[in-house]
Amino acid sequence: DAGITQSPRHKVTETGTPVTLRCHQTENHRYMYWYRQDPGHGLRLIHYSYGVKDTDKGEVSDGYSVSRSKTEDFLLTLESATSSQTSVYFCATGTVNTEAFFGQGTRLTVV
Amino acid sequence: GENVEQHPSTLSVQEGDSAVIKCTYSDSASNYFPWYKQELGKGPQLIIDIRSNVGEKKDQRIAVTLNKTAKHFSLHITETQPEDSAVYFCAASPRGGANNLFFGTGTRLTVIP
Repeated sequence: DAGITQSPRHKVTETGTPVTLRCHQTENHRYMYWYRQDPGHGLRLIHYSYGVKDTDKGEVSDGYSVSRSKTEDFLLTLESATSSQTSVYFCATGTVNTEAFFGQGTRLTVV
Repeated sequence: GENVEQHPSTLSVQEGDSAVIKCTYSDSASNYFPWYKQELGKGPQLIIDIRSNVGEKKDQRIAVTLNKTAKHFSLHITETQPEDSAVYFCAASPRGGANNLFFGTGTRLTVIP
């Protein structure tokens, strides 16, 4: 998994509560990404980062925010979780000239 | 933005037969097309990729073909084995590399022993 660790691996939370997912990489890759995976939708990009403190929105960014204070860490925050955010979240890393390397995923359930 | 369509959604083949998965894309600027394999409970892993300056690429039992004019690309797996059973995703990138990948909806391949 190219040195990518996602935490937690599983989480159940209540509607309206804030949730933060963490992605840690040891590859020193410049780019980091957060995707969500839902049946019938494949993987969809939420946010990405192209450097420390440099982030941008992806295809499905509403309701999510991200931060990257260090090269190795990329945080995804759901400010107020909703049931529609129940999903499997994948972090990925890479460079312009390489493939995307994916972590093991975090299964989030919002009840 | 880019729109990637993938077919079929499920595919069952007998061990030893070939499997073909097809994808189409909409953005003519896309120039990088990776294929990912995802096993149960794991993250996707790259199995093969192709760039727009190449029409075909092969790696042992796996090959990918690209038709830029028609905007479609295909994954071919020959001599399938039970361990090939997984979900396969195609993707397209208008910016190249890992940046800004748009994924298809996946194909669940089952290889029957």
